[in-house]
Amino acid sequence: DQQVKQNSPSLSVQEGRISILNCDYTNSMFDYFLWYKKYPAEGPTFLISISSIKDKNEDGRFTVFLNKSAKHLSLHIVPSQPGDSAVYFCAASATSYDKVIFGPGTSLSVIP
Amino acid sequence: DAGVTQSPTHLIKTRGQQVTLRCSPKSGHDTVSWYQQALGQGPQFIFQYYEEEERQRGNFPDRFSGHQFPNYSSELNVNALLLGDSALYLCASSLQLRTDTQYFGPGTRLTVL
Repeated sequence: DQQVKQNSPSLSVQEGRISILNCDYTNSMFDYFLWYKKYPAEGPTFLISISSIKDKNEDGRFTVFLNKSAKHLSLHIVPSQPGDSAVYFCAASATSYDKVIFGPGTSLSVIP
Repeated sequence: DAGVTQSPTHLIKTRGQQVTLRCSPKSGHDTVSWYQQALGQGPQFIFQYYEEEERQRGNFPDRFSGHQFPNYSSELNVNALLLGDSALYLCASSLQLRTDTQYFGPGTRLTVL
């Protein structure tokens, strides 16, 4: 039973446009959410996080939105750049010290 | 500042064999977690080590075991390998049991034939 779902295996976006990556979760105990980016032959790299007390967190071109009632979060990248092409993992945990549950990932391609 | 390092990079084993993977955490980190990433899936938590003890464990059988050394480096051991154990094994390090700020290594690609 997948507790963290990313229903779009892949996404293609034109350079300069907005990329929106979606994530849904089923476990209501999750209170902490993270996004990781992974390039081939490298380990995942932390991108941005949000805790359940907030509904939005912004860091430069990256913004994460959280809708707790819908158990849904999304990552917005504006503007998208070719270097953003990677696999993006949504992840969740109950606290900052609990094991992290990852989604299956979305492969983003930003076309120049 | 050295990041997380893992060895070996690639490994090929036969069913039934045993394998040991190694991880050195980022400088200053004292907590190591191991993940298995099968093809097309996200990383799946195996276990976490802190102060040389296993602190959390995911849904993996006892064939998967680990160790942490006094210098904080860690080993992942898998016994009686199955074809389904073929995956990328990722090591992540952090400070004092935190899981919100983990740094990942590049992984070890294990192929079981």
